[in-house]
Amino acid sequence: QKEVEQNSGPLSVPEGAIASLNCTYSDRGSQSFFWYRQYSGKSPELIMSIYSNGDKEDGRFTAQLNKASQYVSLLIRDSQPSDSATYLCAVNMGQTGANNLFFGTGTRLTVIP
Amino acid sequence: SQTIHQWPATLVQPVGSPLSLECTVEGTSNPNLYWYRQAAGRGLQLLFYSVGIGQISSEVPQNLSASRPQDRQFILSSKKLLLSDSGFYLCASSREGGTEAFFGQGTRLTVV
Repeated sequence: QKEVEQNSGPLSVPEGAIASLNCTYSDRGSQSFFWYRQYSGKSPELIMSIYSNGDKEDGRFTAQLNKASQYVSLLIRDSQPSDSATYLCAVNMGQTGANNLFFGTGTRLTVIP
Repeated sequence: SQTIHQWPATLVQPVGSPLSLECTVEGTSNPNLYWYRQAAGRGLQLLFYSVGIGQISSEVPQNLSASRPQDRQFILSSKKLLLSDSGFYLCASSREGGTEAFFGQGTRLTVV
């Protein structure tokens, strides 16, 4: 059973703080990892991709990957009220020709002004 | 980059009526295509995926069907809608070989 797990939250942080979102996955051979942001009533938007162990930074966002622990996280620095959304973790863990993209159920983040 | 067109944005249909939602993709060829459903406050449920024309795999037995008549066209259908078919339907596309997926704007379907 291929699974991606996230805490559903809600996660509340004050404005300006660091928000930390976590995700674990079941397939040790997975190679591609993604974070999506979904505002209420809208479709998911890709915000980060990471493919190798370590950190990847893009503006206020940092994705962290640890394949040995099967763990991927997203840090949001200097959180803003506009960051309030549900964050979906997605993992590519399958072979070509089959469904290979698995999503977690998402973590709802609220940034308090 | 890929652009996914999905319409309509909202739809209200009576129980027992048919459904046809269309999704078209620009900016890539031979994409993997997906239909997801998202109930209010819930995660994404994969309904169908397709790796090529006429190739459809169903993930969940249900009242819906999908077709891919052209490389970059994916259609979700139902002959008779149920109340339980209400939800937010999302079409997604990823490049051949499968990497990240991009989503259309979604269709909010309410069955009354």
